[in-house]
Amino acid sequence: GAVVSQHPSRVICKSGTSVKIECRSLDFQATTMFWYRQFPKKSLMLMATSNEGSKATYEQGVEKDKFLINHASLTLSTLTVTSAHPEDSSFYICSARDRDRHEKLFFGSGTQLSVL
Amino acid sequence: GQNIDQPTEMTATEGAIVQINCTYQTSGFNGLFWYQQHAGEAPTFLSYNVLDGLEEKGRFSSFLSRSKGYSYLLLKELQMKDSASYLCAVWTDKLIFGTGTRLQVFP
Repeated sequence: GAVVSQHPSRVICKSGTSVKIECRSLDFQATTMFWYRQFPKKSLMLMATSNEGSKATYEQGVEKDKFLINHASLTLSTLTVTSAHPEDSSFYICSARDRDRHEKLFFGSGTQLSVL
Repeated sequence: GQNIDQPTEMTATEGAIVQINCTYQTSGFNGLFWYQQHAGEAPTFLSYNVLDGLEEKGRFSSFLSRSKGYSYLLLKELQMKDSASYLCAVWTDKLIFGTGTRLQVFP
């Protein structure tokens, strides 16, 4: 099956630093990638949709300057949490849509971010 | 707005059958997914419905009624390992998740 690799799986950082999370589709081309955030015991909240070669579309209430998304190629999207604060601590997860299998979405393994 | 509602929690006994409901009101509909998620892990794909009716896959079945904005996931012969969160998600031009249902299976 298709594989989406997400790194790092866990990161602990100091308040004020920036953290980059990578999401790669390993054996398929992903025209669209989605970034989600999940709080403990809650469902996944869509943050933004990124299409290869264009600017990301952010959901209402998500700060564009805080959560920078880059989708430079058909296999790589990155989420950078800039100037992280404790309230940004969360589980972040990406998913990629296979260009050839539109109904399928494949998820990365997630990144647990803890900001001290 | 987009509303996708599920019961927050459910409990069931090993070997039993449980039905998890999902109702949705979304701007657009291109299919409905069910995912299983264990704590700290990524969601795992269970099923996809785009047409009305029942899709059966082993112990799990999923039903969709587009006119009613309703779906359910049916889990048969429950096992302890089925204790997890079950997420209903609607594909519009993006995948929007429901509130999620935490299922606990007791021996």
